[in-house]
Amino acid sequence: QKEVEQDPGPLSVPEGAIVSLNCTYSNSAFQYFMWYRQYSRKGPELLMYTYSSGNKEDGRFTAQVDKSSKYISLFIRDSQPSDSATYLCAARRGTNAGKSTFGDGTTLTVKP
Amino acid sequence: DAGVIQSPRHEVTEMGQEVTLRCKPISGHDYLFWYRQTMMRGLELLIYFNNNVPIDDSGMPEDRFSAKMPNASFSTLKIQPSEPRDSAVYFCASSPTETGQQFFGPGTRLTVL
Repeated sequence: QKEVEQDPGPLSVPEGAIVSLNCTYSNSAFQYFMWYRQYSRKGPELLMYTYSSGNKEDGRFTAQVDKSSKYISLFIRDSQPSDSATYLCAARRGTNAGKSTFGDGTTLTVKP
Repeated sequence: DAGVIQSPRHEVTEMGQEVTLRCKPISGHDYLFWYRQTMMRGLELLIYFNNNVPIDDSGMPEDRFSAKMPNASFSTLKIQPSEPRDSAVYFCASSPTETGQQFFGPGTRLTVL
């Protein structure tokens, strides 16, 4: 079993919809949680970065971490065609600044 | 800042040939990572360095793969001999210790015929 499991998708929504992307993890030592966005034929880019449980909001994006259930979510409000990409969740332990564990990614298409 | 720089962007080679991928991390970042991404296996960590020292190479698939970081501004990933199953996109990423946030390069798309 992988340490970070991600809903595989693909996901297709109409423009303006609210999107929910989800991951679960198994390692209780994970303390930092990230969401990366990867456009086709590009490298992943960091979208959201959170520490421990709680919510973090940045514009139309909200990252949510529930450590009690080991659940990570990314919500996208008022989705736009430019949000069409693959989204990867990632987690890492606080004692190891280097190594992050990534999910396999969910491909999102927002249709105009 | 130019971001993480990788070269070449595309590489097509024949089975058995040596392949060398190059990476220049963001200045001031003391962690450097090499990843491989395929449709079947997703994003896999191959090896990472801290202050030019390899810390974890458990993801390196076999002895045909080797990585070096001779100084803080340069790293190479070498495959010798290459095989068709090595075809993938190889990403380099770097991060500062303070935040651990990784910044990825544009990747090298490797095709081994």
